[in-house]
Amino acid sequence: DIQMTQSPSSLSASVGDRVTLTCRASQSISNYLNWYQQTTGKAPKVLISAASSLQSGVPSRFSGSGSGTEFTLTISSLQPEDFATYYCQQSYSTPYTFGQGTKLEIK
Amino acid sequence: QVQLQESGPGLVKPSQTLSLTCSVSGGSLNSGDNFWNWIRQSPVKGLEWIGYVHHTGSTFYNPSLKSRVTISVDASKTHLSLKLTSVTAADTAVYFCARDTGTYPYFFDYWGQGILVTVSS
Repeated sequence: DIQMTQSPSSLSASVGDRVTLTCRASQSISNYLNWYQQTTGKAPKVLISAASSLQSGVPSRFSGSGSGTEFTLTISSLQPEDFATYYCQQSYSTPYTFGQGTKLEIK
Repeated sequence: QVQLQESGPGLVKPSQTLSLTCSVSGGSLNSGDNFWNWIRQSPVKGLEWIGYVHHTGSTFYNPSLKSRVTISVDASKTHLSLKLTSVTAADTAVYFCARDTGTYPYFFDYWGQGILVTVSS
């Protein structure tokens, strides 16, 4: 199985901050990397697919980059609704696997 | 708009079979490229992909669960089901059904709200 490792596990930040979350794959997954946002009690919601493709309706302050084994999700200016948990997921091969998540908290 | 809704018992006894249903509306279980998945989430294991079914009947399961899992589509082609046998406390989780795009880029684009299943006597 491809292991996905996210860092940091948690992050405290303030509204307006720029933050970068990292996801590493245990082997190359090309750009088969998706980012999801999950708020308490809800299902994950896809933000970015194929490492850098912003999904329809997702604010442009979210961006993704990377290829191979290292990927980042950047939020350019945090808004109150962005405080949530973020997961990366590889769709390169089955079994599909997720990172353990980065919990973004208000400082 | 595709909508998915999980249903089933919220409590299952150890060694018994967990059975869940996912009602699908606005999307087709009997055509298209999409794969229909079950994913679970627990505090211990995080998000764990269980497996998928395609309308052709093709299935693929996570090897870690393969010996205990069956995913299928009902005859009406409106419901997706999950059966997990010989459950233990480790199977306690929120279970989601989700659709994946079926074509590049592959990702889970629609999810149900999730259903908490607790394994306990």
